[in-house]
Amino acid sequence: NAGVTQTPKFQVLKTGQSMTLQCAQDMNHNSMYWYRQDPGMGLRLIYYSASEGTTDKGEVPNGYNVSRLNKREFSLRLESAAPSQTSVYFCASSEELGPQGTEAFFGQGTRLTVV
Amino acid sequence: AQKITQTQPGMFVQEKEAVTLDCTYDTSDPSYGLFWYKQPSSGEMIFLIYQGSYDQQNATEGRYSLNFQKARKSANLVISASQLGDSAMYFCAMREFSGGYQKVTFGIGTKLQVIP
Repeated sequence: NAGVTQTPKFQVLKTGQSMTLQCAQDMNHNSMYWYRQDPGMGLRLIYYSASEGTTDKGEVPNGYNVSRLNKREFSLRLESAAPSQTSVYFCASSEELGPQGTEAFFGQGTRLTVV
Repeated sequence: AQKITQTQPGMFVQEKEAVTLDCTYDTSDPSYGLFWYKQPSSGEMIFLIYQGSYDQQNATEGRYSLNFQKARKSANLVISASQLGDSAMYFCAMREFSGGYQKVTFGIGTKLQVIP
């Protein structure tokens, strides 16, 4: 039961470096999300993808790009990392809202430090 | 405007007592879902309970219940018989449709500490 798998779990970057956070889910969910979590701020939505081939900005998209490669995978890219992007990043997936509704399933998180 | 408001940054509760964590929400959609998640110090997000906007009864899951007051737009989490393992951050979240797609928005969380 893998659920949502994020890699890497930890990463240290120098200012200006680029990297891609990978996320994959095996639950056949259509919707996928990237959040960042900062102390006192809760989880803030960076980008989300309602289905394969579609992506939309969330609350804090600046400095990030995403790619919904296929139904399973949703990656987050930092083109030029900044110290303000030091955070814990969570990927999540969910089914559409319906009569039953389902929760969002989360990955384990990626702790990113930009120095 | 905040979509999800959690006004209690921190709460203390005596072991075996009940505790209520507050959550209010803001949406104009008639169809939405409300969730509570627990985040222990290890960092993972653990789903606790779900309430749909059309559900007639309050959701319950073991020691967790959701006090859903639709007219007041509140969805408080009640934990009965608190245990030491309940010490964690608790997040209220709402799923709604926006622009034809669903989005899930989180509150800033409440830190619960259970005292022996």
